[in-house]
Amino acid sequence: DVKVTQSSRYLVKRTGEKVFLECVQDMDHENMFWYRQDPGLGLRLIYFSYDVKMKEKGDIPEGYSVSREKKERFSLILESASTNQTSMYLCASHLAGAYEQYFGPGTRLTVT
Amino acid sequence: GQNIDQPTEMTATEGAIVQINCTYQTSGFNGLFWYQQHAGEAPTFLSYNVLDGLEEKGRFSSFLSRSKGYSYLLLKELQMKDSASYLCAVSYSGYALNFGKGTSLLVTP
Repeated sequence: DVKVTQSSRYLVKRTGEKVFLECVQDMDHENMFWYRQDPGLGLRLIYFSYDVKMKEKGDIPEGYSVSREKKERFSLILESASTNQTSMYLCASHLAGAYEQYFGPGTRLTVT
Repeated sequence: GQNIDQPTEMTATEGAIVQINCTYQTSGFNGLFWYQQHAGEAPTFLSYNVLDGLEEKGRFSSFLSRSKGYSYLLLKELQMKDSASYLCAVSYSGYALNFGKGTSLLVTP
């Protein structure tokens, strides 16, 4: 069975803190994605990665960075968290040549 | 991202049929996806269309017209558990998806 896990379901951080969100997939997928989901705005792509050490900006990369040192792990980093980054963060992975993206359970981040 | 439009909310009765429409920009189209998302949960894959026509999968069907930039998701014999958000997503290049804002479907007894 396909599995994408995220390090936390709920996270509360203070403004200015550095925040790491971790995503791990066990399916040997090449492609991994970070989205954020906000009411009325839907899912928006932050960053994605097609391979180890490769990264591409999505639609809303400002204020975020990513790291992919190993194939199974894709990290999203908020260098200095701000209140407008309070959101649901969803990680997804995808096998090159296939079509379905598999989503993790999400991390609900609150920045106070 | 590209403009992907779908209704914000819909309500339907248990046992009925409901159609959720999605329109998108046709330039660079690579494929269209429908996902279901229950409150507080991750999206789960429902269907994928890349050619024109209807794809049927049990109670759910998805239709695509590439020339019109139009798709719909058809849900038959609605059940209470079908109350969820339905997300239309389009692939334009590579594998990244562009999502619509989602349609919140409420199924009433």
